[in-house]
Amino acid sequence: GESVGLHLPTLSVQEGDNSIINCAYSNSASDYFIWYKQESGKGPQFIIDIRSNMDKRQGQRVTVLLNKTVKHLSLQIAATQPGDSAVYFCAENSGSARQLTFGSGTQLTVLP
Amino acid sequence: ETGVTQSPTHLIKTRGQQVTLRCSSQSGHNTVSWYQQALGQGPQFIFQYYREEENGRGNFPPRFSGLQFPNYSSELNVNALELDDSALYLCASSKERLSYNEQFFGPGTRLTVL
Repeated sequence: GESVGLHLPTLSVQEGDNSIINCAYSNSASDYFIWYKQESGKGPQFIIDIRSNMDKRQGQRVTVLLNKTVKHLSLQIAATQPGDSAVYFCAENSGSARQLTFGSGTQLTVLP
Repeated sequence: ETGVTQSPTHLIKTRGQQVTLRCSSQSGHNTVSWYQQALGQGPQFIFQYYREEENGRGNFPPRFSGLQFPNYSSELNVNALELDDSALYLCASSKERLSYNEQFFGPGTRLTVL
């Protein structure tokens, strides 16, 4: 099975509310995780990353939380805006080539 | 924009044909990775090129091959196309391999195999 996954397939939130997108991973040796946003017709766009020596990292309106005990990470988007509507992927960066292993993604829809 | 470009944007081929996809990496990046993204799925790693040599490979058959040129641009070649090869092909460039450097993705090439 996938080493990164357990996304909900879709998530709908009201504009202005906070969004939380969850992801689980199975490889306890994973040490670097990235969240990507993919809009229709575009390639994935880097949002935020976190290394395994951290539990939390904050960016502009986004926060990533990493729980190594249960092998879970989440992406929190504050004050969700219509432009946040996209598919969100968590990815594990590992392997001999430091390749990315993606989950199947969560479609975030922001309702007016 | 990430500075990573791919061509062509769209491509239609028939089963058994061969296809070449191209990627220009961001200036200063010497590592290019290729990913296949089937509809409704996350991207899957095909292989990576670093300084003109294959640096790692995912679970793809040998009919998927690649090249990297001295200017670090790259090609993905797929022989004997199958219907299941229909997907968005993404390339991503980064400054160095084996590090925590960000991978910047291009917009992808949409391949349809009929």
